[in-house]
Amino acid sequence: QSVLTQPPSASGTPGQRVTISCSGSSSNIGNNYVYWYQHLPGAAPKLLIYKNNQRPSGVPDRFSGSKSGTSASLAISGLRSEDEADYYCAAWDDSLSGPVFGGGTKLTVL
Amino acid sequence: EVQLVESGGGLVQPGRSLRLSCTASGFTFGDYPMSWVRQAPGKGLEWVGFIRTKAYGGATEYAASVKGRFTISRDDSKSIAYLQMNSLKTEDTAVYYCTRDLYGYTYGVYYYYMDVWGKGTTVTVSS
Repeated sequence: QSVLTQPPSASGTPGQRVTISCSGSSSNIGNNYVYWYQHLPGAAPKLLIYKNNQRPSGVPDRFSGSKSGTSASLAISGLRSEDEADYYCAAWDDSLSGPVFGGGTKLTVL
Repeated sequence: EVQLVESGGGLVQPGRSLRLSCTASGFTFGDYPMSWVRQAPGKGLEWVGFIRTKAYGGATEYAASVKGRFTISRDDSKSIAYLQMNSLKTEDTAVYYCTRDLYGYTYGVYYYYMDVWGKGTTVTVSS
């Protein structure tokens, strides 16, 4: 059972906007930044969003992150077939003194 | 190019030991804390532990599931991080990823995250 809660799946058609939610508590999301990772099978996970809403160099602005209270969300606009992947949220947890992850959301582009 | 390459995975019997290596290139290895993260078959990502830089005494922290069995160390002269896994259990079967970490404070809020990941090495614990 993951500390952060994500829906197991999400889907959309090319060009659509999809959002993936991530729920936590005051010991993690509530008092710390949220991060998002994209993971393609057989590849290294890739940092998509850091510090709630910042994009690393090279990440398209189609990806955006937000946080409110103990929840966060990742939005992907202009959905493309190459966006089909697993997406994970993460945050530092003050109680565990370490980072925690969500269970992952498998995004399918129909 | 910043790169992390894990090695040392394989098939091992329950109760035995295995050591994984993470070889870094393209950055000053000694300036960064390093983590190990794993993904069991069909499961999500799970943080295993991290090691801070020598400037912070190379201190380590571990997830409760591996504490007392796993040890992380680093050799800055070789740009390698290690994960020593003892008393392995079947539930340790997973792909193990090495990560480069960033940490600090922004606007008084602590941040700690993995910005670079390797492709992973597979560990199978089975009799």
